[in-house]
Formats: sequence, C-alpha cells, structure tokens
Amino acid sequence: EIVMTQSPATLSVSPGDRAALSCRASQSVSTGLAWYQQKPGQAPRLLIYGASNRATGIPARFSGSGSGTEFTLTISSLQSEDFAVYYCQHYNNWPPITFGQGTRLEIK
Amino acid sequence: QLQLQESGSGLVKPSQTLSLTCTVSGDSISSSGYPWSWIRQPPGKDLEWIGYIYHSGSTYYNPSLKSRVTISVDTSKNKFSLKLTSVTAADTALYYCARGGGFFEYWGQGTLVTVSS
Repeated sequence: EIVMTQSPATLSVSPGDRAALSCRASQSVSTGLAWYQQKPGQAPRLLIYGASNRATGIPARFSGSGSGTEFTLTISSLQSEDFAVYYCQHYNNWPPITFGQGTRLEIK
Repeated sequence: QLQLQESGSGLVKPSQTLSLTCTVSGDSISSSGYPWSWIRQPPGKDLEWIGYIYHSGSTYYNPSLKSRVTISVDTSKNKFSLKLTSVTAADTALYYCARGGGFFEYWGQGTLVTVSS
C-alpha cells in the first residue's frame, strides 16, 4: 500500500498571502495524484487531478505541481473561503487508493 | 447536474451488517463508463477508500476490508449499494458514495453510520 504523507499538519496563513501544501508518496505514483478541499460538514471537493490539472470550476489561484513522490498544492492569494482541510490522494498502482492525513489551512 | 444520495441505517449493532445505498441522478450508471465508489471517514480521521463497482458488476475492494465488503449495483434503479459485515466500533464513520475509481469529482453528502449496542 502506498502511504501518502502531508505536511505541515496545520498551516497558518494570512488572507492574500500564498500557501504551499506538500504531499509525499512512499513510492512513485507518477502523476496519479489528486487534491481535495474539505470544509466542515461537507464532502471533499476535487481541486486538482493528474497532479496539475484543475477540476471544472476551480479558480486559477489553485495550482498543483510535482510527479513521482513529491507534490505541491499552491494557493496563490488566499481568500476567506479557502480556509479548510486539504487532502491529497493517489490513484496509481491501485488498489488500494489512499489519501493523506490532511493539512488544515487556518487564518493567521 | 449529477447528484448522489446515500441512504441506509444510521445505527448498527456490533457484529451485524451495515447496509447503505447510493441513488444516482443526472447520470446513468449503466452508460456513463465510470466506476462508482464508496469512501468513508471516521470522525476526525482520514478518508479511506472502500471499493468500487462498474455497471457490469466488476468490483475492486480495499484489501484491508475485502473480506467483509460487498458492493453491488442495480442499473435498473440507477443505484449501487454497500454491505459491510461483522462491524465494530472502528467502522463508525461518515460514509460517502462517489463517481470514479481514480479521482472523485462527484460525491454524495455523506451519511453517518454509528456502530453501537
């Protein structure tokens, strides 16, 4: 099973600033990597798939990069609605598909 | 607009079987070509993929749950279902259905299942 490790666990950032969230895979997943945003009481929302492709309707301030074992989700200018928990998930060499433990993005 | 809605028992006794159904609207399970998944999230914990099914009935399960999980599909009713046997408190979670077997673009709102006597 591929283990996905996200860092940091919590990231404190001011609105308008840039945030970079990291995700590491225990073995290469090529570009089979997705990012999700989850707000309290809501289902996860797909942001990025294929490591760098924005899902339908996702603002351009969200971008994904990386391949192999190291990935980054960057939010270029944080808006109030962006403060949430973010998960990465691999879908290479499945089953099983696995998720990271999440990064909580909070207002500084 | 694709929508998924979970339904089923919210309280299950230990050792019994958890049963949930996902009703799909806005897309046809039999013709979409996508697999249909179940994912769960214990309170305050990580997301765990349970498994998925194609309209043909082909399934893929998480090895950690494979011995207890059955996912089935009813294309005539545009629904798919989850059964998890021999449940324990560790199976208490928010259960989501979703479209996809790689990444998941569409999710249901989730249904909380509590395992307790």
